[in-house]
Amino acid sequence: DARVTQTPRDKVTEMGQEVTMRCQPILGHNTVFWYRQTMMQGLELLAYFRNRAPLDDSGMPKDRFSAEMPDATLATLKIQPSEPRDSAVYFCASGLETGTAGELFFGEGSRLTVL
Amino acid sequence: QKEVEQNSGPLSVPEGAIASLNCTYSDRGSQSFFWYRQYSGKSPELIMSIYSNGDKEDGRFTAQLNKASQYVSLLIRDSQPSDSATYLCAVNLIGTASKLTFGTGTRLQVTL
Repeated sequence: DARVTQTPRDKVTEMGQEVTMRCQPILGHNTVFWYRQTMMQGLELLAYFRNRAPLDDSGMPKDRFSAEMPDATLATLKIQPSEPRDSAVYFCASGLETGTAGELFFGEGSRLTVL
Repeated sequence: QKEVEQNSGPLSVPEGAIASLNCTYSDRGSQSFFWYRQYSGKSPELIMSIYSNGDKEDGRFTAQLNKASQYVSLLIRDSQPSDSATYLCAVNLIGTASKLTFGTGTRLQVTL
């Protein structure tokens, strides 16, 4: 059963600490997305990769967030230093882009709490 | 104006009734439209996609698209308590390749 795998599922940390979230996309998918979800803002796109190349990270605070895809089976989202306002659920999603927008499949999310 | 707008709800319908969820979008050039369902504490899951004007049916679900009026809707027939969830509308805005922009979702409650 193909699915997107995210770790950790839950993370509680203190302000100023580094947080790294990992995502294994579905094998064969060529797009990977990082979204952040909060009650107030809903789902916000942070970063977007196609064929491992970053295409759009305009939604990401550049001073503290970074997203990479070191290989086809791993995408990472790093926050350094973390702040309480970063508390949210972070979702990774993958899809297969074939000319037009494809369907996205979401991982179970990483719930981050920054104290 | 938000790029994708939905009424946050909650929308309450009795079991067995038709639930109608609506979404409007700002970019007239948008080409692909999706409905995702998200149960509380879970991740969004795709339930419908629609790419051309008209209706698309899948079981109890019907997606409707009207590009001239820039709205997309989801009808759920014979609503069940298990349909209670938040429904997210997602749109591929023009020039954004496969990047989806999501509405904030409509919470649906199906009552017994």
